[in-house]
Amino acid sequence: SQTIHQWPATLVQPVGSPLSLECTVEGTSNPNLYWYRQAAGRGLQLLFYSVGIGQISSEVPQNLSASRPQDRQFILSSKKLLLSDSGFYLCALQSGGANTQYFGPGTRLTVL
Amino acid sequence: AQSVTQLDSQVPVFEEAPVELRCNYSSSVSVYLFWYVQYPNQGLQLLLKYLSGSTLVKSINGFEAEFNKSQTSFHLRKPSVHISDTAEYFCAVSENNAGNNRKLIWGLGTSLAVNP
Repeated sequence: SQTIHQWPATLVQPVGSPLSLECTVEGTSNPNLYWYRQAAGRGLQLLFYSVGIGQISSEVPQNLSASRPQDRQFILSSKKLLLSDSGFYLCALQSGGANTQYFGPGTRLTVL
Repeated sequence: AQSVTQLDSQVPVFEEAPVELRCNYSSSVSVYLFWYVQYPNQGLQLLLKYLSGSTLVKSINGFEAEFNKSQTSFHLRKPSVHISDTAEYFCAVSENNAGNNRKLIWGLGTSLAVNP
């Protein structure tokens, strides 16, 4: 079965510091991968998605970036965090030709 | 353009009472429909989905939803809720002809609070 890991589970960072969040998946090959942000406990905002290694589509222009160095690894980064980057970051995968997305456990980011 | 509207941001209900969480969508093409549940500080879990076939779909924990094409709705229902059903519920839609780049359009969520 498919499994999604996100690391770290929680993170507290000062404004202006860099960020790297990691998502790894198991039990599937060549999935579509997604990064979402959920702010203030409500609503999902799609940040990036990837249909393959090195292929990244950005949905919202901002100071975040994403990379997919391996088929089952998706990384969310920032060079300098803003207060507004605080939120709950969710990684999701979609595979097998169906439209169903499955979510990881999330990373809670607090920027102070 | 697609959009999803969850008509109630909060739904308080007493334990063992029935509940309906409403979801309406707009799309010019045929769609797939999903309900997800999110417990505090956790990721989203797929509750149920409609892809094709029977318009009434059911989850293993007693929820059901009915796809109504004429009313463009996919309301979620449960005849008797438990305290453990307290969570955030999200409705989502995708076009079924979107090729490989399949994105979900999300509602803003409905917070279900089950009180004793």
